[in-house]
Amino acid sequence: GENVEQHPSTLSVQEGDSAVIKCTYSDSASNYFPWYKQELGKGPQLIIDIRSNVGEKKDQRIAVTLNKTAKHFSLHITETQPEDSAVYFCAASPMNTGFQKLVFGTGTRLLVSP
Amino acid sequence: DVKVTQSSRYLVKRTGEKVFLECVQDMDHENMFWYRQDPGLGLRLIYFSYDVKMKEKGDIPEGYSVSREKKERFSLILESASTNQTSMYLCASNLANQPQHFGDGTRLSIL
Repeated sequence: GENVEQHPSTLSVQEGDSAVIKCTYSDSASNYFPWYKQELGKGPQLIIDIRSNVGEKKDQRIAVTLNKTAKHFSLHITETQPEDSAVYFCAASPMNTGFQKLVFGTGTRLLVSP
Repeated sequence: DVKVTQSSRYLVKRTGEKVFLECVQDMDHENMFWYRQDPGLGLRLIYFSYDVKMKEKGDIPEGYSVSREKKERFSLILESASTNQTSMYLCASNLANQPQHFGDGTRLSIL
């Protein structure tokens, strides 16, 4: 089955710096890659997603890149702000499930210091 | 906005008890999911349902069952709770090929 690895497990940056979180996946049939942000006491919230027919997607300060050949995808946050502090999860969805059965990475705790 | 509501934020039960976790969504989504979240392990899928009365096992179904009698409601059942089922439980729902929306979770402690 699909396996998703996520690095780093913790990331500390200064406000205004960029942050990059990386994930690798094992199943070449995966075709959907969402990123979720989880704030303390809340459930995960989708912040951006990408499908395998696209190499990069951007939404304001957040971007995701996908390298299908290497089977890895990354989340880039520019001009970080204290409110970006949270746990971030990547996920991959194998194509043959039909019901968007997501396999999640283990999470990255991002701390943005003022 | 999509609303996924989990009935309890915190729950404390004893080993051997039968435990029910409830989840309701208000967007007429076909698919509903139950995950458990543990530190260092991310989110792992327990069960999901793609229609009323339909269910499929996820990656860690042992010790759990589910019920979906109405489209908007998906229940997770711990038949005989054990201490290793102490965890955060997250419910999600979606339309086919659309992003999953999560509730805020139920933190369950089994003593």
